[in-house]
Amino acid sequence: AQTVTQSQPEMSVQEAETVTLSCTYDTSENNYYLFWYKQPPSRQMILVIRQEAYKQQNATENRFSVNFQKAAKSFSLKISDSQLGDTAMYFCAFMKPLEYGNKLVFGAGTILRVKS
Amino acid sequence: KAGVTQTPRYLIKTRGQQVTLSCSPISGHRSVSWYQQTPGQGLQFLFEYFSETQRNKGNFPGRFSGRQFSNSRSEMNVSTLELGDSALYLCASSWGAGQGKFVTEAFFGQGTRLTVV
Repeated sequence: AQTVTQSQPEMSVQEAETVTLSCTYDTSENNYYLFWYKQPPSRQMILVIRQEAYKQQNATENRFSVNFQKAAKSFSLKISDSQLGDTAMYFCAFMKPLEYGNKLVFGAGTILRVKS
Repeated sequence: KAGVTQTPRYLIKTRGQQVTLSCSPISGHRSVSWYQQTPGQGLQFLFEYFSETQRNKGNFPGRFSGRQFSNSRSEMNVSTLELGDSALYLCASSWGAGQGKFVTEAFFGQGTRLTVV
C-alpha cells in the first residue's frame, strides 16, 4: 500500500520569505501522480500544484514550485515570497492511476503560518 | 461554472441514528470521491464512484455506504452512528476516469461537518 509522510506538523515563516515543506512517499509503482493541496481555515481544499512521475522537470505554479526526487521518493513544496494568505494546512497526496482511479492518499499535513 | 456543492454544511446527530450527505459535482464530472477528515486519523478515503459504479472502497465498516445517480450526484449514508463518526466529510469530483491520460485535478467541496452526540 502507498503511504505518504509529512514530517513537519507545523511551520512558520515571515511574510516575503521562502519556506519549504517536506513530503516523502512509499510506493513500488513507476507511474503515479503527486499533488500538494492547501486547506485554509475555510476548509476548502485547493490544488496548489501537481507532478507527474514520468516528468523529470519539476512543476512550478507562480510562487509555488516542487523539488521532485523520484529515486529518493521525495516531493517537497517551496513557497517563495510567502503571503499572509498562504496560511493554511498543506497536504501532500499520492495517486496511482489505472488501478486506483481517482483515489488520493494523503499525508498527515503541515500547518503553515505566515507571520507579518 | 459552479463548484462542488455539499449539503448540508453542518449536521448534529445522535448516536444510533443514520445520516445521508449529498454531493453535487461540477457539471460534466463523472467521478465523485468521498473522504473523512478527523484530527486523529487525518484524511481517509471512503469510496469513489464513476458513472454510477463504485470503483474503490476504503477501509471503513459496512455502516458507510454510498451511491451515485445518473446525473453524477452522489450521496453517502452512515447508519448506526457512533461518536467516532464525528468528522468533516469531503467530497471531490474529477472529470477523468483517473486512468492513462485521463488523470485530472480533483475539485473539493467545502465539506459537511458531522457531529455525533
